[in-house]
Amino acid sequence: GQQLNQSPQSMFIQEGEDVSMNCTSSSIFNTWLWYKQDPGEGPVLLIALYKAGELTSNGRLTAQFGITRKDSFLNISASIPSDVGIYFCAGQISGGSNYKLTFGKGTLLTVNP
Amino acid sequence: DTAVSQTPKYLVTQMGNDKSIKCEQNLGHDTMYWYKQDSKKFLKIMFSYNNKELIINETVPNRFSPKSPDKAHLNLHINSLELGDSAVYFCASSEQGARREKLFFGSGTQLSVL
Repeated sequence: GQQLNQSPQSMFIQEGEDVSMNCTSSSIFNTWLWYKQDPGEGPVLLIALYKAGELTSNGRLTAQFGITRKDSFLNISASIPSDVGIYFCAGQISGGSNYKLTFGKGTLLTVNP
Repeated sequence: DTAVSQTPKYLVTQMGNDKSIKCEQNLGHDTMYWYKQDSKKFLKIMFSYNNKELIINETVPNRFSPKSPDKAHLNLHINSLELGDSAVYFCASSEQGARREKLFFGSGTQLSVL
């Protein structure tokens, strides 16, 4: 099955710094998504990407769908304490009835005030 | 109002017991899911139902049995609980069709098997 390699596994940064994380796959995906999980909660969708090369922003977050369709990047600018959490990438291959998302293993982000 | 709600939030039980986790969504979605998150935070799909019909059934022990009485509910029953079943279980829902990948998750049920 498809596997997603997400890096880094964890990050410790100071408030105000910019953050980058990425996800690579051995397979081509038609859709890339980024979710954030706060402690004790379920993941929440941040950004969805549907086209190779697409660059999409959501406030201080920017994500890109890689040209090869095998990778995606998420950047967070000017981090704040509430950015703390686990960020997951997820990929989906469209088509077929056996639809499912494949999730990366997550990047744990800690922001020091 | 909570969009996807699951109960209980915490479940502590002995090995060998049978337990159920309930999930309800008020988003009008057609598709519902159960995901398992292990101690390393890895999220793995277990089951998916579309309009009460099972469409995804990953390699999950048959001690786990999902039940969907209607499209707004997807419950998970687990028989003969084992230590390795300890994890956080998430229910999720999504629309049918082009935006199925946009999952809405519940807040999780932390299952501890002693």
